[in-house]
Amino acid sequence: SYGLTQSLSVSVALGQTARIPCGGDSIGGRNVHWFRQKPGQAPVLVIYGDTKRPSDIPARFSGSNSGNTAALTISGVQAGDEADYYCQVWDFNTWVFGAGTKLTVL
Amino acid sequence: EVHLVESGGGLVQPGGSLRLSCEASGFTFTNSAMDWVRQVPGKGLEWVSFITADSTTRYYADSVQGRFTISRDNANNELYLQMDNLRAEDTALYYCVRETGQQVDSYFFYYMDVWGKGTTVTVSS
Repeated sequence: SYGLTQSLSVSVALGQTARIPCGGDSIGGRNVHWFRQKPGQAPVLVIYGDTKRPSDIPARFSGSNSGNTAALTISGVQAGDEADYYCQVWDFNTWVFGAGTKLTVL
Repeated sequence: EVHLVESGGGLVQPGGSLRLSCEASGFTFTNSAMDWVRQVPGKGLEWVSFITADSTTRYYADSVQGRFTISRDNANNELYLQMDNLRAEDTALYYCVRETGQQVDSYFFYYMDVWGKGTTVTVSS
């Protein structure tokens, strides 16, 4: 089965840029989606199809995907961005989630 | 506004059954594929099951194959998850999720764009 690898945690200073990677075998050939989940809340889609943003997600959120690594980048990080972030792909009739990365804003 | 509202969770003994429901509103339910995703408290997201808009195709995670059945009632905008032979490891918050498709060049891809708030299932004696 296909596996996605995410760092357990990423820390970034307020106002700086956070990069959250998601590793997978030839993941660049797949569509990667990203979700943000704050404590006690349901996940929210922040990036779909590698680079696309839902209309209610600010432009500070961007995505990239090439080779064996996809990444979610958050520029000008705010305190409210502190959350768990999950990457996801579709693999042979199965949705696969990464284990999630906890973003801490310093 | 698009809404998904889950119900039917609760406490059940190992080996027991539960039926989860998800009421959809604010969009054309008959056009959307749907999923169930679960999350053990403090842990990550785990996909459970998928159903196409017309119910012709259904997929299941290996962990629930043969025990869970996904279904839907398009006339009443409802999604269901029948859970039988429940185990302690099925204890989780269960989310109902809508899928949306997008065409890029000559192919479509799909993504989960709307989530309910979830219903909690606890399997314990």
